[in-house]
Amino acid sequence: GAGVSQSPSNKVTEKGKDVELRCDPISGHTALYWYRQSLGQGLEFLIYFQGNSAPDKSGLPSDRFSAERTGGSVSTLTIQRTQQEDSAVYLCASSPQTGTNTEAFFGQGTRLTVV
Amino acid sequence: AQSVAQPEDQVNVAEGNPLTVKCTYSVSGNPYLFWYVQYPNRGLQFLLKYITGDNLVKGSYGFEAEFNKSQTSFHLKKPSALVSDSALYFCAVRTNYGGATNKLIFGTGTLLAVQP
Repeated sequence: GAGVSQSPSNKVTEKGKDVELRCDPISGHTALYWYRQSLGQGLEFLIYFQGNSAPDKSGLPSDRFSAERTGGSVSTLTIQRTQQEDSAVYLCASSPQTGTNTEAFFGQGTRLTVV
Repeated sequence: AQSVAQPEDQVNVAEGNPLTVKCTYSVSGNPYLFWYVQYPNRGLQFLLKYITGDNLVKGSYGFEAEFNKSQTSFHLKKPSALVSDSALYFCAVRTNYGGATNKLIFGTGTLLAVQP
């Protein structure tokens, strides 16, 4: 596709349920990021995949959060036992190489609401 | 650890006037600096970046930013604001110093409101 694709665009879930958010990066992009944007807040870094290197998971807020990237392409962010404070927009971004001088391209995000 | 500060939650400016959105950063090593814009209910769009070379960089929609190493700043500017510039603006930084990962760290964002 032409851009970063995220699905679903909206997700409403009950407290305590698990959710999976999907990100399809731009074809050929080796770096992939997940961020969280809460109402009135900035972008909170969650996790970063860089090629075949071990991911940087330093931003994951708790062990309920995990992410995978299969085959260097599609990524899934999983939130287990969701809580109301997990409600936010989850943004995925990819960039074309692992160099530091390249900008990241963002998807439209998944709006997660935990009720 | 690297960090970015956007000291203003909101900037108000009249259409036609110059605008400045402030950003300061803290990194070890050389910074690579970015500005993004987020329009309502839209994803983030890249505006411009500073990697090396000229301190004044030009980007999309008439925006520019000036890198100031001594002040560790990268303020976003536009000579004449448009109502359509009203949006949320984010500054971001990354570095490749000392084997640190290349993650992109964002500021908290500044809401720009341009009044007609």
